[in-house]
Amino acid sequence: GQSLEQPSEVTAVEGAIVQINCTYQTSGFYGLSWYQQHDGGAPTFLSYNALDGLEETGRFSSFLSRSDSYGYLLLQELQMKDSASYFCAVSHSGYSTLTFGKGTMLLVSP
Amino acid sequence: DGGITQSPKYLFRKEGQNVTLSCEQNLNHDAMYWYRQDPGQGLRLIYYSQIVNDFQKGDIAEGYSVSREKKESFPLTVTSAQKNPTAFYLCASSISGGFRTGELFFGEGSRLTVL
Repeated sequence: GQSLEQPSEVTAVEGAIVQINCTYQTSGFYGLSWYQQHDGGAPTFLSYNALDGLEETGRFSSFLSRSDSYGYLLLQELQMKDSASYFCAVSHSGYSTLTFGKGTMLLVSP
Repeated sequence: DGGITQSPKYLFRKEGQNVTLSCEQNLNHDAMYWYRQDPGQGLRLIYYSQIVNDFQKGDIAEGYSVSREKKESFPLTVTSAQKNPTAFYLCASSISGGFRTGELFFGEGSRLTVL
């Protein structure tokens, strides 16, 4: 089966940098995705890493280490609107879709 | 604008009743998915379909049924056999093989409450 571990909650202040970690166990691993979900809304895609290394998209960056089965999402210059839940998800050969972690709630304070 | 439309947004059901949640997409995506979300539980896969007239069970398919008669539509029926149906249901789609890009497009969800 597949399993993903990520912290349940992270807090930070506006303007700071925060890192949300994700470790996974899966067979037939293809890649690691990150999604953002505001309360009661639709999850939206942030990034995808299939190869080792860092991918940068504006204030958000995502990192993957396949050998360590580990990745993280880095959010810089935090804004209040970044308060949301963040999910890591693996794509794998088991299903032709994604398996999601339980999510990390990020609380950004002034 | 292209996207995924789920309806109804809120639904109340009495125990013992079947209900059907609608999911329509105009993105011309081949693959469609249903996920269930409970507080603190993340998203769990119910069913998915990679092509018309074909669908596969996910991790928690018991008590649910689906159909895929048209490319645009993937309705989910929550049957009376589902023991704990109160949840937030999310429909998603992707281009063929979209799991290889890690990108799913989600609808706004349907919140089902069993009274």
